[in-house]
Amino acid sequence: AQTVTQSQPEMSVQEAETVTLSCTYDTSESDYYLFWYKQPPSRQMILVIRQEAYKQQNATENRFSVNFQKAAKSFSLKISDSQLGDAAMYFCAYYNQGGKLIFGQGTELSVKP
Amino acid sequence: EAGVVQSPRYKIIEKKQPVAFWCNPISGHNTLYWYLQNLGQGPELLIRYENEEAVDDSQLPKDRFSAERLKGVDSTLKIQPAELGDSAVYLCASSPGLGSYNEQFFGPGTRLTVL
Repeated sequence: AQTVTQSQPEMSVQEAETVTLSCTYDTSESDYYLFWYKQPPSRQMILVIRQEAYKQQNATENRFSVNFQKAAKSFSLKISDSQLGDAAMYFCAYYNQGGKLIFGQGTELSVKP
Repeated sequence: EAGVVQSPRYKIIEKKQPVAFWCNPISGHNTLYWYLQNLGQGPELLIRYENEEAVDDSQLPKDRFSAERLKGVDSTLKIQPAELGDSAVYLCASSPGLGSYNEQFFGPGTRLTVL
């Protein structure tokens, strides 16, 4: 079974600065997807960015980018030019070949003005 | 396009009482998911439907939890009787269907408090 680990329960960043959230996973599959989801206090889970395992190029979405290291089974999220609206819980998630989405424990990001 | 709708948003009940949550997925989405999210944790899958068929209910505590998806659209998740440990957020999500990947769209969840 796959597992996802987020070792940073809380992170803090100054507005306009850059922050990196860490995620590692364990799997024996060769083909899968990885995601970062954002969950604000409203609880609505929002997809931030996704990465296909077969793609070597790191995914980017505006201010959000990932550092995908397949051999190391590492998938970190970098948020550039942090904004107050970025404050939320961030979950790393693994999508396996059986169609199951497996979440990490989450990292609570606070943004200081 | 309307998103995934869940009701109620909040529910407070006494232990041993029954409770039901309702989910209306995005129109045309064949796959529906129910997740349990404990405080400070990531969501965990309870059950997945493909149309009206439950294709993965291995994590559903069947002694007290039940779910149904009539006509392959709306779904109801029920707990009877509720226990203190059931206090959590219950999330519903839907996706167009299984494939190499289909994005899951989440509802706002129902926060259950069992007293």
